[in-house]
Amino acid sequence: GAVVSQHPSRVICKSGTSVKIECRSLDFQATTMFWYRQFPKKSLMLMATSNEGSKATYEQGVEKDKFLINHASLTLSTLTVTSAHPEDSSFYICSARDLGRAPWTEAFFGQGTRLTVV
Amino acid sequence: GQQLNQSPQSMFIQEGEDVSMNCTSSSIFNTWLWYKQEPGEGPVLLIALYKAGELTSNGRLTAQFGITRKDSFLNISASIPSDVGIYFCAGQLFGSSPSYDKVIFGPGTSLSVIP
Repeated sequence: GAVVSQHPSRVICKSGTSVKIECRSLDFQATTMFWYRQFPKKSLMLMATSNEGSKATYEQGVEKDKFLINHASLTLSTLTVTSAHPEDSSFYICSARDLGRAPWTEAFFGQGTRLTVV
Repeated sequence: GQQLNQSPQSMFIQEGEDVSMNCTSSSIFNTWLWYKQEPGEGPVLLIALYKAGELTSNGRLTAQFGITRKDSFLNISASIPSDVGIYFCAGQLFGSSPSYDKVIFGPGTSLSVIP
């Protein structure tokens, strides 16, 4: 159990366009989802936390209007990179957990999305 | 904000050797997690620790949640080539406020196993 699927796994887009990345929990309801960004050979940087039914909470320094997060349902969260630029190129990873299943549950990760902006 | 430190930053070991890596934090966490990441993939959960002092094993892996709730260690016994990867510790917070729910990652320990 606890499978998180991300789509697409790779995407190349032109500068100025927007890209949507999907994160789905396949076998549980994810009341909380996290979005991370990872630069080569670096750690995962938390971008934002979203809870179903409420707005995402963004970490300091993350532009809300640049990285739109929508926790559309208990099994789907989307990250839209708007007006993408080459510096937005990165590895984006989502994770999800289900607060409703147990008092303490760990977050499970998707396989990541490699975004390249040209 | 919360910060995690991991040591060592990288390790090169011979196949069959045991491995030990540590994670420390400037603040306490409710849960400690250890993940392994391979190139181009998302992190995979290895061990989750829920209580201070807890010692948990998963095959050749053993991890402990420090008594102070500010540290954890991961040991790998009898390393094999497929253990190669980056090992991340992560601290997880829970709370009623969405801004309190976070999973914060350490910088990672890169493990190389020489056959």
